[in-house]
Amino acid sequence: DVKVTQSSRYLVKRTGEKVFLECVQDMDHENMFWYRQDPGLGLRLIYFSYDVKMKEKGDIPEGYSVSREKKERFSLILESASTNQTSMYLCASSFWRGGAYEQYFGPGTRLTVT
Amino acid sequence: TQLLEQSPQFLSIQEGENLTVYCNSSSVFSSLQWYRQEPGEGPVLLVTVVTGGEVKKLKRLTFQFGDARKDSSLHITAAQPGDTGLYLCAGLPSGTYKYIFGTGTRLKVLA
Repeated sequence: DVKVTQSSRYLVKRTGEKVFLECVQDMDHENMFWYRQDPGLGLRLIYFSYDVKMKEKGDIPEGYSVSREKKERFSLILESASTNQTSMYLCASSFWRGGAYEQYFGPGTRLTVT
Repeated sequence: TQLLEQSPQFLSIQEGENLTVYCNSSSVFSSLQWYRQEPGEGPVLLVTVVTGGEVKKLKRLTFQFGDARKDSSLHITAAQPGDTGLYLCAGLPSGTYKYIFGTGTRLKVLA
């Protein structure tokens, strides 16, 4: 079974703190993604990575950075957390199977910035 | 901006009823996936469709990819309370790794 894990299910941080969210996949997938999900706005792509040390901005990269030093691990960094970054953060990885890329999600991290 | 519109947005039905959820776009996708998400959890992949006109079945769930690969539908037969959740479709345009997510359909099945 494909398994994508996220370091925390719930986090509470203060405004201005640097926040690290980590994601690990155990299936040697090439592609990894970070999304945020907000009511009424759906899933929005923050960053994705198609290989080690390779990254591309998604639709809402402002205020975020990422790191992928190893294939299995993709980290999302909030340089200086703000209250508008309170959200559900979802990590995903994808691989080629059956003629298509299939994307699998982790359980999510509910981040609250106070 | 590519859009993937789902309808209906909300659906509340009685156990045993049938329902269909639609996912429509003006863009062509190389593949399309359906997910179910429960509150506080990540989306769980249900199915991937690749070929235009393709139909896949997963127990009481039937998924169809449109002939032109621009739209898809999810039909649930004899819905059960365990089907309750947020259903999301996600299309992958050709030549990219970036998925386009639908707006979601929130389904509630009452016992």
